[in-house]
Amino acid sequence: GENVEQHPSTLSVQEGDSAVIKCTYSDSASNYFPWYKQELGKRPQLIIDIRSNVGEKKDQRIAVTLNKTAKHFSLHITETQPEDSAVYFCAPSSWGKLQFGAGTQVVVTP
Amino acid sequence: GAVVSQHPSWVICKSGTSVKIECRSLDFQATTMFWYRQFPKQSLMLMATSNEGSKATYEQGVEKDKFLINHASLTLSTLTVTSAHPEDSSFYICSASLLAAYEQYFGPGTRLTVT
Repeated sequence: GENVEQHPSTLSVQEGDSAVIKCTYSDSASNYFPWYKQELGKRPQLIIDIRSNVGEKKDQRIAVTLNKTAKHFSLHITETQPEDSAVYFCAPSSWGKLQFGAGTQVVVTP
Repeated sequence: GAVVSQHPSWVICKSGTSVKIECRSLDFQATTMFWYRQFPKQSLMLMATSNEGSKATYEQGVEKDKFLINHASLTLSTLTVTSAHPEDSSFYICSASLLAAYEQYFGPGTRLTVT
């Protein structure tokens, strides 16, 4: 099965700085690479995703980069704001099933 | 669009009883629904995948006789936790997807507490 590793497990950044979270996966059949944001007690919220035929995608302050050869993809958040504080999960997908990473607790301090 | 609801949002039950959780896709027909469990401060773990009209496929280590899944229509899937015990207390989240689509749409989750 898919083995997913996410680093770091916690990330503390000053407001305005950038945050980067890396996700490494093992299944070469993975073809969909989403990132989710989850606030305490809430559902996971899709913030950005990328398909296997694209190397990078950007949406305002959020970007995702994919390296299929090395089997990793990363989430980049620029100009962080206090409301970016949450747990972020990568969840590479193969055959339609998401395999969630362990999560990264991001704390943005004013 | 692509709204998924769950009911109830929270439930408390006594040990040994059964609890049913409903997952509905409100504005689309979901060919596939997924059930996840999330313990505090942990990740989401896929329990099972269900397609409308067919038996659910359970992940390794998930007891199919304890977690009964029914996907009777393209808009409704149910998870029944049978003979619940305190260790079954968790946050249960469903998601739904369209045929051949990548994205899953998540429900708001159900907090189950077994006393």
